[in-house]
Amino acid sequence: GAVVSQHPSRVICKSGTSVKIECRSLDFQATTMFWYRQFPKQSLMLMATSNEGSKATYEQGVEKDKFLINHASLTLSTLTVTSAHPEDSSFYICSARLSRGVKNEQYFGPGTRLTVT
Amino acid sequence: AQKVTQAQTEISVVEKEDVTLDCVYETRDTTYYLFWYKQPPSGELVFLIRRNSFDEQNEISGRYSWNFQKSTSSFNFTITASQVVDSAVYFCALSEVITDKLIFGTGTRLQVFP
Repeated sequence: GAVVSQHPSRVICKSGTSVKIECRSLDFQATTMFWYRQFPKQSLMLMATSNEGSKATYEQGVEKDKFLINHASLTLSTLTVTSAHPEDSSFYICSARLSRGVKNEQYFGPGTRLTVT
Repeated sequence: AQKVTQAQTEISVVEKEDVTLDCVYETRDTTYYLFWYKQPPSGELVFLIRRNSFDEQNEISGRYSWNFQKSTSSFNFTITASQVVDSAVYFCALSEVITDKLIFGTGTRLQVFP
């Protein structure tokens, strides 16, 4: 149980185009999903917290107009990288929270590798 | 501010050696969670353990063991009799209870040679 999928797993796009990445909780409902970014050989950095039915909360330094997050249902959050540039090339990972309180668990998707040429 | 430090960037061992990965954290919260994740070359994060701040009991799971010491703010991870399949990047992380945000350490790349 508690499986999170991401689509696509890899994407190559041209500079200036937009790319949408989907994050789905397959067998549970997730009121909250998180989006992380990981540059090569670096750690994961939280970009934003996505709550179903409300606006995402972005971490300091993350451009909300560039990284559009939509969490329209309890099983789907999307991250759209708008007007992508080569410096946006990275590994994007989402996670979904199963429940609040004591468990405080996040389940991670397999990640999406974005390459902007 | 919350912070997780993994001072070892890379460790190389030979199969069957024991290896300990260090993790030191900083937080002002009295209630928090600590995690270890494994990231193999495929990139997918594999959950290894979650420990809450009130549970200082050490834990063993097969060849894996964890030593949580609140007095030194450390949550170290030991792999006994390492295997080549253990080669990966290991991340220690700290979670805020209220927001569930995960703060990751910089990771330790473990290479186990046959």
